[in-house]
Amino acid sequence: NSKVIQTPRYLVKGQGQKAKMRCIPEKGHPVVFWYQQNKNNEFKFLINFQNQEVLQQIDMTEKRFSAECPSNSPCSLEIQSSEAGDSALYLCASSRQYSGNTLYFGEGSRLIVV
Amino acid sequence: AQSVTQPDARVTVSEGASLQLRCKYSYSGTPYLFWYVQYPRQGLQLLLKYYSGDPVVQGVNGFEAEFSKSNSSFHLRKASVHWSDSAVYFCVFITGNTGKLIFGLGTTLQVQP
Repeated sequence: NSKVIQTPRYLVKGQGQKAKMRCIPEKGHPVVFWYQQNKNNEFKFLINFQNQEVLQQIDMTEKRFSAECPSNSPCSLEIQSSEAGDSALYLCASSRQYSGNTLYFGEGSRLIVV
Repeated sequence: AQSVTQPDARVTVSEGASLQLRCKYSYSGTPYLFWYVQYPRQGLQLLLKYYSGDPVVQGVNGFEAEFSKSNSSFHLRKASVHWSDSAVYFCVFITGNTGKLIFGLGTTLQVQP
């Protein structure tokens, strides 16, 4: 069973609505990644954190997506204005270290934008 | 360019048969390699990983994989599959200096009774 906890498992949003997903990383894992998996099994890196600090993020994340990992609270990924193309499985993963270390994934949050 | 190729999109085997899922990577250095499995409506679960040393690594549930630097491959094997092994299997690697994963497109394994 995954020790990375993601909520909600499913969310359905209309176009233009906000969509927010949360992730509790495995205990002792300061590094958190967010990935988007589409229906064709293509994985897109969105953003990663070490503790509360953003390490890397892609342009898409910078514009419509926002994410944070506050101390003592779950990490979150929010889409400010959902688009049909955002329908996907959003996976959170955590790791002990940033470089070259195993990532452990949560069950994912499946977003459907109607 | 760094990439992972899983040449078989779908593999069907009978229960009890042996299995090999193929994976080829493109990277000039030595990558950190992983196999993950995704069951329906679930996230990714780690099967096994290779960092260095013995090129044959053992994983969970009887899976093993063999790293070949000369062939740039990391094929997954299992001696006898069970119906519960039906899932999508992803070959993944990380380059040495970055935490970002590079995924293959996955191989869907269907085990027939």
